[in-house]
This record gives sequence, structure tokens and C-alpha cells, in this order.
Amino acid sequence: DARVTQTPRHKVTEMGQEVTMRCQPILGHNTVFWYRQTMMQGLELLAYFRNRAPLDDSGMPKDRFSAEMPDATLATLKIQPSEPRDSAVYFCASVRGHSNQPQHFGDGTRLSIL
Amino acid sequence: QQQVKQSPQSLIVQKGGISIINCAYENTAFDYFPWYQQFPGKGPALLIAIRPDVSEKKEGRFTISFNKSAKQFSLHIMDSQPGDSATYFCAASIITDKLIFGTGTRLQVFP
Repeated sequence: DARVTQTPRHKVTEMGQEVTMRCQPILGHNTVFWYRQTMMQGLELLAYFRNRAPLDDSGMPKDRFSAEMPDATLATLKIQPSEPRDSAVYFCASVRGHSNQPQHFGDGTRLSIL
Repeated sequence: QQQVKQSPQSLIVQKGGISIINCAYENTAFDYFPWYQQFPGKGPALLIAIRPDVSEKKEGRFTISFNKSAKQFSLHIMDSQPGDSATYFCAASIITDKLIFGTGTRLQVFP
């Protein structure tokens, strides 16, 4: 059963540190999404890529967040410097673009910034 | 115009009862309306989805009712079970573009 894999599952770090979250999309899926989930804001789209090219990153604070796809099997989301308000669960999802298939979500990275 | 409004925020139902969650949208360009189910510690998983050319879709105990003129859609869970206890999100998008999620409904089904 193909799955989206996210690492790490949990991350606790101090304010000001760099955080890198990784996502391995399902093989053959060419569209990758990054979402953030908090109690207050719910599920918010941060950025997404198609064929490794960024399509929309308007939901991402540009001064501290960056998202990349070094290759088709890896997407990364970095926060530098991290702040306590970045504490949330970050989800990656993938889909075969322009298909009738649903987005498949990973199990998330639970991030706590102290 | 990009918002999807979901209600109620939480729902308590007895085992065997019907759970109903409602969503409303504004953007008439949306053409894909999925419902996702999320258990604690897990990512959202697709439960059922509908496109606006049909008014109802049923899969087992789960039914989506869609009212295009009112720009509303709802999820009905028949014969609700304790295992259905989870958070449910409605969403909307244009084909498989970015999903706009509702705020979620926490469902608790008591035996």
C-alpha cells in the first residue's frame, strides 16, 4: 500500500534553531502539498509543487520558511529561525496532477518550538 | 470567496444514530468536494468525494448530499459507530488543485 512518508514524526527544539522536515511522496505522484494544522487555524496550505516547480507558496511566511523539491522523491520544508508560533503539525500530501485521484496525506511532523 | 464554512464544530451521537455535518462554499469554480477523516496522530484520509454534476453519492454508511444552487454539501453517517469517532473535514478545490479545508468537526459516538 503506497504511502506518503514524513520525517521526523516529532521534533522539539529551541527558538531560533533551524528545522527541516522531509517528505517522500508516493511514487509517480508529481504534485506535492505542504499543510500546517493548528487548533486555531485548522488546516492551512503553505505551498505546493508540480513536477518539482513551485506553483503557489502564498501561504508561507517568506522570511523564515522555505520549501524545495531537490528531486522527485523528496520535498523539504525548512524554518529558519524557528519561533514558538511555528509549533504545529505539518503535513505533506501528494497526488498525480490533473487526475481524478485524491490527495494522499502523510502522518505529519509534530513540531514544538520552546 | 475561497472559504469553506463547516458546522458544527463538535458533534456527539449515540451508537446507531445519524451524524450530519454541513459545509458551505462561495466559489462557484470549485468542482471537487471531498470529505476527509482524521484520527489522532494520523494524517487526514479521504473518506468520500463528490463532483457537482450529481446531487448525492453513497458509499456504505457514508453519504454526501450536494446542493449546487445553495452552494452547500453535507456528510451523513448512518448507523454511527464508536469507530467513527474522529475529526471530519470537508474541502473544496478546482479539480486536483489545492484543497481549501473547512474548520473540522470533532465527532464522538458513544456506545
